[in-house]
Amino acid sequence: GAGVSQTPSNKVTEKGKYVELRCDPISGHTALYWYRQSLGQGPEFLIYFQGTGAADDSGLPNDRFFAVRPEGSVSTLKIQRTERGDSAVYLCASSQQGGGQETQYFGPGTRLLVL
Amino acid sequence: DAKTTQPPSMDCAEGRAANLPCNHSTISGNEYVYWYRQIHSQGPQYIIHGLKNNETNEMASLIITEDRKSSTLILPHATLRDTAVYYCIVRVSGAGSYQLTFGKGTKLSVIP
Repeated sequence: GAGVSQTPSNKVTEKGKYVELRCDPISGHTALYWYRQSLGQGPEFLIYFQGTGAADDSGLPNDRFFAVRPEGSVSTLKIQRTERGDSAVYLCASSQQGGGQETQYFGPGTRLLVL
Repeated sequence: DAKTTQPPSMDCAEGRAANLPCNHSTISGNEYVYWYRQIHSQGPQYIIHGLKNNETNEMASLIITEDRKSSTLILPHATLRDTAVYYCIVRVSGAGSYQLTFGKGTKLSVIP
């Protein structure tokens, strides 16, 4: 079956612009996670959804970042007034129900470059 | 979650066993050891996890010391496709345990 997919694969934008990054989780997975990976670093947790609700958004760096999952499947990460420091790979992962020993399955990521 | 320490890089000859160490001296009794890897330009991929017993699957073996303060991931016959960054993660299991805390990992280079 299909894995986690993310679109676009690459996004170049200018400082100050608004961007949306999309994640399609594995069908039937109720848990969805967003991570951000800067060059040379491991991924850092941003937000976790259980169904439609954000169960934990403590990793979002500031209020320019927002994520939604209105129907409990596809999620969109939204970044307002982008800054050069937002340049990174944004990774999405999903798991069956969330928590415990569940394996998180990652997508290939969206590479965001803010000029 | 407890912190982990891994060497920044390692080389391994193709066909030989790759042994990747991880120190987690502050691990708690209810924390599991997880290993993920990330091949260039891809998302992280789950490899294996364990609590205190050694574990083996089709990808690798995980050896955890008796005091649980360190572990070793073993790729028995490394291939060029195993070149990747390998992350050792310590994670509490149970309700509310969901985020993975990645360090910088070990960059494994498999040499022909």
